[in-house]
Amino acid sequence: KNEVEQSPQNLTAQEGEFITINCSYSVGISALHWLQQHPGGGIVSLFMLSSGKKKHGRLIATINIQEKHSSLHITASHPRDSAVYICAVPLSGGSNYKLTFGKGTLLTVNP
Amino acid sequence: GAGVSQSPSNKVTEKGKDVELRCDPISGHTALYWYRQRLGQGLEFLIYFQGNSAPDKSGLPSDRFSAERTGESVSTLTIQRTQQEDSAVYLCASSLLAGWGVYEQYFGPGTRLTVT
Repeated sequence: KNEVEQSPQNLTAQEGEFITINCSYSVGISALHWLQQHPGGGIVSLFMLSSGKKKHGRLIATINIQEKHSSLHITASHPRDSAVYICAVPLSGGSNYKLTFGKGTLLTVNP
Repeated sequence: GAGVSQSPSNKVTEKGKDVELRCDPISGHTALYWYRQRLGQGLEFLIYFQGNSAPDKSGLPSDRFSAERTGESVSTLTIQRTQQEDSAVYLCASSLLAGWGVYEQYFGPGTRLTVT
């Protein structure tokens, strides 16, 4: 069983829609990461957060440490947001270099 | 000033052959990570380097896999006697220092390995 679960696995939206991607994890963590993987395969780190909320442009990430849950929101979605969004957390045991990754959410935004 | 680079971008090899994958991290980054992404699967941690030392090799799938790093620069991931299940995209990342809780990782474009 994967210790990091993402939902939905696939998401199709129309341009302009508000998007929410969810991530649940099973172990205590120091920080959670959201990554974006473009269709060509390149990966970009979007957010690293350990509490509360962070915002960058149209992207918002929230985390609830007690509930072991994080959400990534995209406001006013655009076709260029189409990508795989990956949630990742450090494995238990205190090691914060070794991550467990979710399987990703494939987002397709249609014009 | 360039990002993380990897070579080759694509590699097709026959089962049983050895392959070497190369990663050039961002200059000045002391930490380097190797990951694997098999088709339809999430990213898997393989190994990380702090300088040229590899404190944790537990993610390597078998003893056919090995990795080296020269100082704080280039790293090579070697897969001996490749098997079809080794087919995947191999991604390299680097960060200023080790520690996902603090330091952002920058990813390379990956090497797509196909074992026929």
